[in-house]
Amino acid sequence: SQKIEQNSEALNIQEGKTATLTCNYTNYSPAYLQWYRQDPGRGPVFLLLIRENEKEKRKERLKVTFDTTLKQSLFHITASQPADSATYLCALGTGYALNFGKGTSLLVTP
Amino acid sequence: SAVISQKPSRDICQRGTSLTIQCQVDSQVTMMFWYRQQPGQSLTLIATANQGSEATYESGFVIDKFPISRPNLTFSTLTVSNMSPEDSSIYLCSVADRGEETQYFGPGTRLLVL
Repeated sequence: SQKIEQNSEALNIQEGKTATLTCNYTNYSPAYLQWYRQDPGRGPVFLLLIRENEKEKRKERLKVTFDTTLKQSLFHITASQPADSATYLCALGTGYALNFGKGTSLLVTP
Repeated sequence: SAVISQKPSRDICQRGTSLTIQCQVDSQVTMMFWYRQQPGQSLTLIATANQGSEATYESGFVIDKFPISRPNLTFSTLTVSNMSPEDSSIYLCSVADRGEETQYFGPGTRLLVL
């Protein structure tokens, strides 16, 4: 069955450092992969989309890589800030249906 | 991006009762989706709400338990029927336009069933 794995343990980093979150998947050939941010008590907010034929995507301090051979995506936040503290979800899709991972909690401390 | 509101934001219900959750969008959208997010779990798609036709349900979800309406391009409802404590969860609606894979989510409805 399809499986999407994100680090279940929270990631604690110091302000200014680069946060790297991992999303691995098995038994799946997604056409694209998305990353969302979710704050407590709120719905997920879209951050970035990367397609199967793309290796890397950037948006301001965010960078996503997508390795379809390794079946892995890495999500980087450079120069992290306490305001980046949240849960980050990866979602794989084919067509309109999205399959989400459980998310990784990121805590950026001053 | 679309602005999405949900009502109620939270509710506490008795087992055996039903609750209808509303999802309102500030613009016309093609696709509307309903998700469930149980504590410590990932978002799970319940169904896709299609305007003018029956909703499309994912494996493990049935219309009798989760009837959905989509009367127009800006509004949808999800009913959680004959509730049990296992239905305690956050229910989220999301929207997407045809040709776009990005989804925009509402704030969610927190449901506790006693």
